[in-house]
Amino acid sequence: DVKVTQSSRYLVKRTGEKVFLECVQDMDHENMFWYRQDPGLGLRLIYFSYDVKMKEKGDIPEGYSVSREKKERFSLILESASTNQTSMYLCASSTLIRDWSNSPLHFGNGTRLTVT
Amino acid sequence: AQTVTQSQPEMSVQEAETVTLSCTYDTSESDYYLFWYKQPPSRQMILVIRQEAYKQQNATENRFSVNFQKAAKSFSLKISDSQLGDAAMYFCAYRSRAQKLVFGQGTRLTINP
Repeated sequence: DVKVTQSSRYLVKRTGEKVFLECVQDMDHENMFWYRQDPGLGLRLIYFSYDVKMKEKGDIPEGYSVSREKKERFSLILESASTNQTSMYLCASSTLIRDWSNSPLHFGNGTRLTVT
Repeated sequence: AQTVTQSQPEMSVQEAETVTLSCTYDTSESDYYLFWYKQPPSRQMILVIRQEAYKQQNATENRFSVNFQKAAKSFSLKISDSQLGDAAMYFCAYRSRAQKLVFGQGTRLTINP
């Protein structure tokens, strides 16, 4: 079974801190994604990556950056955390889509981040 | 840009009965996939069912089935013989060849014993 592991289940940080959310997958997946989940808004894509050192902005990249130095690890960085970044963050991975339709996303269990 | 709308923030159903969750989407593309994901209290997102846009036949997975109306851009999920373990947030999602998955707002389903 694919395993996507997020390093923290709960995290509390102060405004202005630099925050790192780590995600590791063990299935050699090329694609990795970061979403944030908020009530009434569903999941919104922050950033995604199709390969090492490659990144693309999603729908809400402002205030975030990412790093993918190794294939299995995709980090989300909040350069200066703000209270409006309090949210649930979900990481996901999938295989390279040759048959583009047949590669479901595998999700981690989420990190609930509170910025005070 | 594609959008996915779930107009029911919450739904409840009696155990063993049938419930239908609604989803509509907006796209100008003809080739895409639609998904329903389930998120139980454990937070683990689980793929429930998926539908290829080019297939007219509705997808089914055991007690879960969809009603896919391509012209109406509607993709509802029917859960038959509801069980307590079906209680969760359900998200409808759309994926195009651009590979990005776009989610709806979610519907919280409660199962009453």
